[in-house]
Amino acid sequence: NAGVIQTPRHKVTGKGQEATLWCEPISGHSAVFWYRQTIVQGLEFLTYFRNQAPIDDSGMPKERFSAQMPNQSHSTLKIQSTQPQDSAVYLCASSWDIYAEQFFGPGTRLTVL
Amino acid sequence: GDSVTQTEGLVTLTKGLPVMLNCTYQTTYSPFLFWYVQHLNEAPKLLLKSSTDNKRTEHQGFYATLHKSSSSFHLQKSSVQLSDSALYFCALSESAGYQNFYFGKGTSLTVIP
Repeated sequence: NAGVIQTPRHKVTGKGQEATLWCEPISGHSAVFWYRQTIVQGLEFLTYFRNQAPIDDSGMPKERFSAQMPNQSHSTLKIQSTQPQDSAVYLCASSWDIYAEQFFGPGTRLTVL
Repeated sequence: GDSVTQTEGLVTLTKGLPVMLNCTYQTTYSPFLFWYVQHLNEAPKLLLKSSTDNKRTEHQGFYATLHKSSSSFHLQKSSVQLSDSALYFCALSESAGYQNFYFGKGTSLTVIP
């Protein structure tokens, strides 16, 4: 079991460019979560999917951020027109259900210049 | 208000002293409570979890008891070690309704010699 896989581990974009972050959950897990972590804001919940369906996106910035889960083996977080304030570590986690332990991936460190 | 409240942002303790990190929550539904620990440059990992009222759960010297009467799930350790320096997150999962999931803001614990 490779755990939750996130790619890339590091991404540097220029202001205004698009960034797509990938997450491969643990096989068999039905829930996938996205978080953003910064020193200033701490750990922020963005969105989660259950059985590929979006359940709660209350933490997602309404503009420029979108998340999808086209199949049970991967989810993507897309940030359009990236801004310096989007610089953060983006964490993906999966669990076999909402009330079970979440297993976190290593994160993608996004740097927007 | 927040669904999960951790009152301490930063805690600094001398090695060997006891620690209690506070966590209170709000939910209409039967709760599942979690403590996650995140060491520097690592992903968060589950430390403890509970859904049973008034039952102490322990792991790696840490322990917590879910008290539904006071909506609390405080994390304790009788003698902290240098290796306990980390971020600690309390999290709540709701068993029904929209089955939302909430993370607290986190408490940074620093243990000094």
